[in-house]
Amino acid sequence: NAGVIQTPRHKVTGKGQEATLWCEPISGHSAVFWYRQTIVQGLEFLTYFRNQAPIDDSGMPKERFSAQMPNQSHSTLKIQSTQPQDSAVYLCASSLGGENTLYFGAGTRLSVL
Amino acid sequence: QQQVRQSPQSLTVWEGGTTVLTCSYEDSTFNYFPWYQQFPGEGPALLISILSVSDKKEDGRFTTFFNKREKKLSLHIIDSQPGDSATYFCAASVGQGGSAKLIFGEGTKLTVSS
Repeated sequence: NAGVIQTPRHKVTGKGQEATLWCEPISGHSAVFWYRQTIVQGLEFLTYFRNQAPIDDSGMPKERFSAQMPNQSHSTLKIQSTQPQDSAVYLCASSLGGENTLYFGAGTRLSVL
Repeated sequence: QQQVRQSPQSLTVWEGGTTVLTCSYEDSTFNYFPWYQQFPGEGPALLISILSVSDKKEDGRFTTFFNKREKKLSLHIIDSQPGDSATYFCAASVGQGGSAKLIFGEGTKLTVSS
């Protein structure tokens, strides 16, 4: 069991560019969560999927952020027109249906210059 | 809106001492309260959790206490070790049986000095 895999580990973009972050959940897990972590805001919930269906995107900034889960083996978080305030560690987590435990990946550190 | 408050923000204890972290929450519908431990460069990992039907759960050197009336919980670490140095997050969610989003506290950075 390799755990939740997030790629890339580090991404540097220029202001206004697009960034796509990838997450591979643990095989067999039915729920995938995205969180953003910063020193100031801590761990912020963004969105989650259950059985590939979007369930709750209440934490997503509406205009430039989008998330998809096209199949059970990966999810993507896309940020269009990145801004310096988007700089953060983006964490993906998965959980097994019927359990509360979230298993986090190591995160993708996004730096917007 | 921050629904889970955690204190202190940082804490230093001596090796062998007892660490106490506290959290409070507002939403009375929360019924699942995990504590996560995070080391630098890694994602958070579940340390211990408790359901609102219990008031105490113990796992080795780690014990979490839950007070439903006061809407507070705490994490106690006895015989603290340098390897316990990490950031600790309390969290809360609604729903048992999985796939419920967690609301995290601000985190406490713990340093255990030898």
